[in-house]
Amino acid sequence: DVKVTQSSRYLVKRTGEKVFLECVQDMDHENMFWYRQDPGLGLRLIYFSYDVKMKEKGDIPEGYSVSREKKERFSLILESASTNQTSMYLCASESPGQGPNGYTFGSGTRLTVV
Amino acid sequence: AQSVSQHNHHVILSEAASLELGCNYSYGGTVNLFWYVQYPGQHLQLLLKYFSGDPLVKGIKGFEAEFIKSKFSFNLRKPSVQWSDTAEYFCAVPVSGNTGKLIFGQGTTLQVKP
Repeated sequence: DVKVTQSSRYLVKRTGEKVFLECVQDMDHENMFWYRQDPGLGLRLIYFSYDVKMKEKGDIPEGYSVSREKKERFSLILESASTNQTSMYLCASESPGQGPNGYTFGSGTRLTVV
Repeated sequence: AQSVSQHNHHVILSEAASLELGCNYSYGGTVNLFWYVQYPGQHLQLLLKYFSGDPLVKGIKGFEAEFIKSKFSFNLRKPSVQWSDTAEYFCAVPVSGNTGKLIFGQGTTLQVKP
């Protein structure tokens, strides 16, 4: 069964800490995405990547950065965590070339910044 | 800019009731539409998708959705809901001109009472 794996299910970090959220997919997908999910706001795109070492900003990139050194791994970095970054973070991957196939999502990381 | 709107934020139904969740999108060229579902404690998963052809699309677990181009709508339906359908439902469309990025609606929380 194909998978998108997020390294942590729950995280609690302090304000000002640098936070790394890891995502690994085993489907050889080119496209990977990071979203945050907040009640009443749905999913909002933070960053995405179409290839290794390639990244593009989504709708809410402020306060975040990403890294994609290998095809299967896409990391989200909170440079200096703040309380308004408390949220559920979802990673997804997708294979292009056949039209939008829909995403495969990870289980999510619920981050609390205190 | 492309957008997606879900009218119902929280729906409460009794078992065996019929379900219809609204989704409207702004037009952006070729229309591809998705419904995702997130069961409590689980990851988001694809419920159904529309690419072309028959505007009535059938998905998993007895769900279906109808694409009505004139109304820019893609409403999700199920004739008879079960307690196990309790979940959050998201409508999504690709960003116009970009086959990878999806824009999600705000989500609808469905609570089915046994």
